[in-house]
Amino acid sequence: KNQVEQSPQSLIILEGKNCTLQCNYTVSPFSNLRWYKQDTGRGPVSLTIMTFSENTKSNGRYTATLDADTKQSSLHITASQLSDSASYICVVIDRGSTLGRLYFGRGTQLTVWP
Amino acid sequence: EADIYQTPRYLVIGTGKKITLECSQTMGHDKMYWYQQDPGMELHLIHYSYGVNSTEKGDLSSESTVSRIRTEHFPLTLESARPSHTSQYLCASSELMGYKGETQYFGPGTRLLVL
Repeated sequence: KNQVEQSPQSLIILEGKNCTLQCNYTVSPFSNLRWYKQDTGRGPVSLTIMTFSENTKSNGRYTATLDADTKQSSLHITASQLSDSASYICVVIDRGSTLGRLYFGRGTQLTVWP
Repeated sequence: EADIYQTPRYLVIGTGKKITLECSQTMGHDKMYWYQQDPGMELHLIHYSYGVNSTEKGDLSSESTVSRIRTEHFPLTLESARPSHTSQYLCASSELMGYKGETQYFGPGTRLLVL
């Protein structure tokens, strides 16, 4: 069964600190993996997109890594800010159909305290 | 900022009422989607469309219906709302499928409460 598991479920850190969010997936065949940021009451916004050949991709203070062999991805946030408080969702797309089905994780709820 | 809009943002209605959730995008995207998301849970695809006059049901069974008469407009309708329909509904759009680089752009969502 294709699944996307994220950990931790929730995380509280102090402003200025770094953190790493994890995503493990069993989706196969794999096409690409995305990290989305979802603010409370808003729709998700794409942070990074990674294909199987890409190991690392950065977007400002966000750095995503991908190990397609172990089917693991991480999102590292550097020097956290209060505005980073949100849910971070890992999404994996398969290439087994023309639709390119999306598999969503439940997200990690990050809270940054001053 | 994505040019995809949803109205209303919040809706509280009584059981049995008919409602339509609006979704519009100005990016000219062919593909549009409706997702349902409960608090702390993953998004579930309930409907999608490849283009005008194309609609398909998603993975999660839903009593709602959709229509795609215009490229930019993808409304979702519940003929008779029930408390079990209480949820957040997210609309998204994307360009035609490719295996690399396609991004879904999400609207702000509609939070529905059925009493």
